Amino acid sequence: DADVTQTPRNRITKTGKRIMLECSQTKGHDRMYWYRQDPGLGLRLIYYSFDVKDINKGEISDGYSVSRQAQAKFSLSLESAIPNQTALYFCATSDFRGTGYTGELFFGEGSRLTVL
Amino acid sequence: AQSVTQPDIHITVSEGASLELRCNYSYGATPYLFWYVQSPGQGLQLLLKYFSGDTLVQGIKGFEAEFKRSQSSFNLRKPSVHWSDAAEYFCAVGPGSSNTGKLIFGQGTTLQVKP
Repeated sequence: DADVTQTPRNRITKTGKRIMLECSQTKGHDRMYWYRQDPGLGLRLIYYSFDVKDINKGEISDGYSVSRQAQAKFSLSLESAIPNQTALYFCATSDFRGTGYTGELFFGEGSRLTVL
Repeated sequence: AQSVTQPDIHITVSEGASLELRCNYSYGATPYLFWYVQSPGQGLQLLLKYFSGDTLVQGIKGFEAEFKRSQSSFNLRKPSVHWSDAAEYFCAVGPGSSNTGKLIFGQGTTLQVKP
């Protein structure tokens, strides 16, 4: 089983609908991230969380919200989806508490969202 | 501004040929540098990372990268490419001494391998 699991893997929805992408991890890491991947733009950070009570905006947080329900769970919501939110979304984790921290991220397999 | 540039959007090489993927960064602090690979339908897998010490780092799958501070570069190399190396490759930079853990990614380079 994957250490970082994203659901759903694929979703097609319509403009204006509320969508939630979920991420859970079994790595025991404290930090979790949501990135968005668009062709030619690489990955851009939407939100990140250092622990359950510490959530921060990334560079492209407008139109998104997040919830850190537990150390192992981090959800991304689109309150009212629009077509330009069509993208591949990645959840990632990192372990700051361990020794030798390097900022390495561990990724889920991605959630492909299409907004019509 | 902090940024990562991968000048080559798409590269095609023949199987068995050598490979070099370029990565240039702009970062105020001492950076940590990473190369990730994304196979179709998969998440990103770490190939290698540099944060201190020897500027030539070895990674998985026979890849290596060299950190050149004077050129703000961290190019990825492989002496002999295999068909299974066809994928998208991302260079990323993160804060070396800060604790934010946020990575900045380049635009990605898609590698196609010809038989």
